[in-house]
Amino acid sequence: TQLLEQSPQFLSIQEGENLTVYCNSSSVFSSLQWYRQEPGEGPVLLVTVVTGGEVKKLKRLTFQFGDARKDSSLHITAAQPGDTGLYLCAGGRYSNYQLIWGAGTKLIIKP
Amino acid sequence: NAGVTQTPKFRVLKTGQSMTLLCAQDMNHEYMYWYRQDPGMGLRLIHYSVGEGTTAKGEVPDGYNVSRLKKQNFLLGLESAAPSQTSVYFCASSRGGFGGQETQYFGPGTRLLVL
Repeated sequence: TQLLEQSPQFLSIQEGENLTVYCNSSSVFSSLQWYRQEPGEGPVLLVTVVTGGEVKKLKRLTFQFGDARKDSSLHITAAQPGDTGLYLCAGGRYSNYQLIWGAGTKLIIKP
Repeated sequence: NAGVTQTPKFRVLKTGQSMTLLCAQDMNHEYMYWYRQDPGMGLRLIHYSVGEGTTAKGEVPDGYNVSRLKKQNFLLGLESAAPSQTSVYFCASSRGGFGGQETQYFGPGTRLLVL
């Protein structure tokens, strides 16, 4: 089974700080998606990156797909309590319909 | 639009009992998925469907069966529940699916406890 390793597993920081979450694999993916999940709800898509080296910005969130399409990062600038949640990355494979999911990073932003 | 809905929201079963989880979507999506989510393990695909009348096995299909008789509905059945099936179950749908570039829309989840 191909794996996506997310790090850190848990992060608790103060409001206003910056942070980076990583999603790494030894496998190449056709795409990489990031989802955010809040307690008691299903995941919601934040972004999809499909080109090696691609960078996408969503307000204070910056997503990057590695040049070799094996890894991705999510950087949050000036974190806010509303950013609290479980961040999941998911890799798409060229050959089928299944996403490979990371175990998630639980992020807590303290006021 | 309601998006993706799941029933029930919570259920307690005794070992050996059976139940069916219902997923419905109103977005006319072709692809539907059943996942389970356990602490520290992310989402694991149980079964999926690429269209009405079709189903396929995912990563962890043992102990589960599915049916997609209507395009908008995807049912997940547990014939004889086991404590190892205690989990949160999510249904998702997407317009397409190949290569992982389509958005998956998730329901709110069903929390299942098997005693």
